[in-house]
Amino acid sequence: DTEVTQTPKHLVMGMTNKKSLKCEQHMGHRAMYWYKQKAKKPPELMFVYSYEKLSINESVPSRFSPECPNSSLLNLHLHALQPEDSALYLCASSQVGTEETQYFGPGTRLLVL
Amino acid sequence: AQSVTQLDSQVPVFEEAPVELRCNYSSSVSVYLFWYVQYPNQGLQLLLKYLSGSTLVKGINGFEAEFNKSQTSFHLRKPSVHISDTAEYFCAVTKGGSNYKLTFGKGTLLTVNP
Repeated sequence: DTEVTQTPKHLVMGMTNKKSLKCEQHMGHRAMYWYKQKAKKPPELMFVYSYEKLSINESVPSRFSPECPNSSLLNLHLHALQPEDSALYLCASSQVGTEETQYFGPGTRLLVL
Repeated sequence: AQSVTQLDSQVPVFEEAPVELRCNYSSSVSVYLFWYVQYPNQGLQLLLKYLSGSTLVKGINGFEAEFNKSQTSFHLRKPSVHISDTAEYFCAVTKGGSNYKLTFGKGTLLTVNP
């Protein structure tokens, strides 16, 4: 089973709202990732958690706040977003220390009004 | 640092024709290579990967890729495409070993016409 699940599939929020994206995997992977993808572009890495600790933050604005409550779950908390933050947000997971093949979820389509 | 170049941004083909999507990479160290497919409004699905060993790698949906170290290429091929293969295809590379960073090419939109 190589499934990564993400909820919700779609999200519309105003610039003053607070919302959260959720990601879950049950493959025993100890690395989890958040990516942002704009239309017709490749995914851009935002954050990496390894063994539930934040390992990489690609200079992401503080209005995005990641959280890894346990080895299977990854959240992305959103607050005071801008319209340019509208995008497809992808979660991925991988093993640690080998080739780290990343398996992606279906994504959350976010629209900020 | 590594980089990936997908030489064609768009590839239109007719149904049942063969197709090759080109990918070249550069890296000063050994890397692992991947092809992902993204259907409209979906996430990325792993098509195939090259880790080591045989340079010809077979993936899902009848796709295969050949790793060529001397030409630093990892081209994706399918002998006969279907309408359902219409999608964006991304070539990607990583160093592995707790590096975590997957470097993507810009993508190739494969459009299969009837």
